[in-house]
Amino acid sequence: KAGVTQTPRYLIKTRGQQVTLSCSPISGHRSVSWYQQTPGQGLQFLFEYFSETQRNKGNFPGRFSGRQFSNSRSEMNVSTLELGDSALYLCASRGLGGPTDTQYFGPGTRLTVL
Amino acid sequence: GEDVEQSLFLSVREGDSSVINCTYTDSSSTYLYWYKQEPGAGLQLLTYIFSNMDMKQDQRLTVLLNKKDKHLSLRIADTQTGDSAIYFCAEVDSGTYKYIFGTGTRLKVLA
Repeated sequence: KAGVTQTPRYLIKTRGQQVTLSCSPISGHRSVSWYQQTPGQGLQFLFEYFSETQRNKGNFPGRFSGRQFSNSRSEMNVSTLELGDSALYLCASRGLGGPTDTQYFGPGTRLTVL
Repeated sequence: GEDVEQSLFLSVREGDSSVINCTYTDSSSTYLYWYKQEPGAGLQLLTYIFSNMDMKQDQRLTVLLNKKDKHLSLRIADTQTGDSAIYFCAEVDSGTYKYIFGTGTRLKVLA
């Protein structure tokens, strides 16, 4: 099976712009989670989608949003980019998102905001 | 609270054993996980332990679980320079099924 894929792998944007990141989960997985990783804050949970519904949400401002499509692919959007949004954005998928489902990560999208 | 705690840094010599510790919060977690992250990469699943086990061994990796103290450890035998990475422990919240990750321990292996 192919692993979790994320596109693009690298992105450079300027302050005030918006960005959309894409994640394709492992085939058959219906839960997709997004994380932001920065050197200062570590790994921060953004949100989780399951069957096109947001199931869990982290403590991020409304500029961060996401969605999931019927084929389980997910996108996250950041509007009005700030310098502090520069980070590695990681996507992870698992089967049904239950307590015994193992989560697998993609390689990440490195976003740089200038 | 949701904090899963790990020490930030660990430095060992090549060939020695490394022990990375983690304190978790949810005593109802079914599985506890260890992930490895190499520079610029995503997190790679290393191993996991079921909550009714005390120990799990997988080649050079040994996971120990102390449920009473909510303490998890990862021992890497014969540590190699390729083991240099950040190691994250994770629990799964029994109510929300959300993964809760530790702060990560940066392991540096000295040749």
